[in-house]
Amino acid sequence: AQTVTQSQPEMSVQEAETVTLSCTYDTSENNYYLFWYKQPPSRQMILVIRQEAYKQQNATENRFSVNFQKAAKSFSLKISDSQLGDTAMYFCAFMKHGGIDKLTFGTGTLLAVQP
Amino acid sequence: NAGVTQTPKFQVLKTGQSMTLQCAQDMNHNSMYWYRQDPGMGLRLIYYSASEGTTDKGEVPNGYNVSRLNKREFSLRLESAAPSQTSVYFCASIPQGIPQPQHFGDGTRLSIL
Repeated sequence: AQTVTQSQPEMSVQEAETVTLSCTYDTSENNYYLFWYKQPPSRQMILVIRQEAYKQQNATENRFSVNFQKAAKSFSLKISDSQLGDTAMYFCAFMKHGGIDKLTFGTGTLLAVQP
Repeated sequence: NAGVTQTPKFQVLKTGQSMTLQCAQDMNHNSMYWYRQDPGMGLRLIYYSASEGTTDKGEVPNGYNVSRLNKREFSLRLESAAPSQTSVYFCASIPQGIPQPQHFGDGTRLSIL
């Protein structure tokens, strides 16, 4: 079974600054996918970024980028130029390649962007 | 194109009452999922359906039943609600084939008194 650990329950950052959210995971699988989801107060689950384990290049989506360290089983999310709208709960999630495509989630990090 | 639609958005029940949460997707996805979200625990899988006519247990299935009525709809039923089932429930779907991010509904906040 897979486990996903987010060790930072809450974080705070000043507007326009950069913040990094941590995520580690444990798996015996070699092929898998990792995701970061954002959940704002509206409760929607919004995909922020995804990473395929077989790709060495770190994924980037505008102000969001990841640092994927496969050997260390680490998958951190960096948010650059933080904006007030980035205030949300962020979940790291794991999906095994093949099988039933279910997601295993971490417990989340609540990010507050301060003006 | 609504994506994944969950009804109702909010519900309050008394202990012992029954309730069915509805989920429908209009994206022709094969697989559908029910998760529950509790404070400090992330989202946990309750049941899933890999295709029409099939359902399987997830991580926390006790106290729930599901029905995959057709390709579009996947309902979650609480036969005898308990306070421990107070949670936010999310339905999600995904097309079959190349793994893709799941599409989530907006959630149902369920309180059981």
